[in-house]
Amino acid sequence: QQPVQSPQAVILREGEDAVINCSSSKALYSVHWYRQKHGEAPVFLMILLKGGEQKGHEKISASFNEKKQQSSLYLTASQLSYSGTYFCGTELAQGAQKLVFGQGTRLTINP
Amino acid sequence: DAGVTQSPTHLIKTRGQQVTLRCSPKSGHDTVSWYQQALGQGPQFIFQYYEEEERQRGNFPDRFSGHQFPNYSSELNVNALLLGDSALYLCASSSGGQEQFFGPGTRLTVL
Repeated sequence: QQPVQSPQAVILREGEDAVINCSSSKALYSVHWYRQKHGEAPVFLMILLKGGEQKGHEKISASFNEKKQQSSLYLTASQLSYSGTYFCGTELAQGAQKLVFGQGTRLTINP
Repeated sequence: DAGVTQSPTHLIKTRGQQVTLRCSPKSGHDTVSWYQQALGQGPQFIFQYYEEEERQRGNFPDRFSGHQFPNYSSELNVNALLLGDSALYLCASSSGGQEQFFGPGTRLTVL
C-alpha cells in the first residue's frame, strides 16, 4: 500500500523543468508533498485534497487526479535550492493523519 | 514562533538497551505523530498521539511505546533495542487534521 514514486532520481540543469509522480493502488483522501535535504527534516510543500484540486506555490505546483489516484508535482525553471529528495505522503481517510510515504525521488540540480 | 523541536539530536545505544526520545510540537498544535526513517527510505508511521492517547498505530512491535503530556509534548520509548532500530526518528505535529510539520529528528545508532 506504499505509494510508488517515479522517477526514482532525476538530474537537471538549473532552469529546466521536472515532474515527479506519485501513484497509489488505494483510494486517497489527500496527498502531501515534502522536500528533504540531506541530514535535515522533511519540509512541507503542499497538500492536495481529493477532488482534482491543483495548487501552486511560486514555481512549484501539484495536481491530484482522483480517478487515477495519482498526484504529480511540477517544478518549473528549477533553481539550485530545489535539490533534495521529494516524498509524497498519502492519507486514506479524512483526518486519518497517518501518512504513508513513497520511497522518494532524488532531484539534483546542476548549475 | 518555535517550530517542532526534538531531543536529543544524536544517540548511540547498544543492543538490548532502552531509549527515550522527546518532541515538543509547534505552537498551537495538539497532535503528535512519530515516524521512523531508515537511510534512503521514506518515513514510516509509528503512531500518533492526540489528547494524551494513542489514536493510531503503524506496523511496529510493542517495544515501541509513547506518551503525550498535557502540554502536548510527546515521548517515544523503544525497549530491547535491535540493530535494525538504527534510524532517524522524526516527530511531526499538526492540528485539526491539517498539514504535518516535522522536527529535525533524532539520529539513533544501535551498536
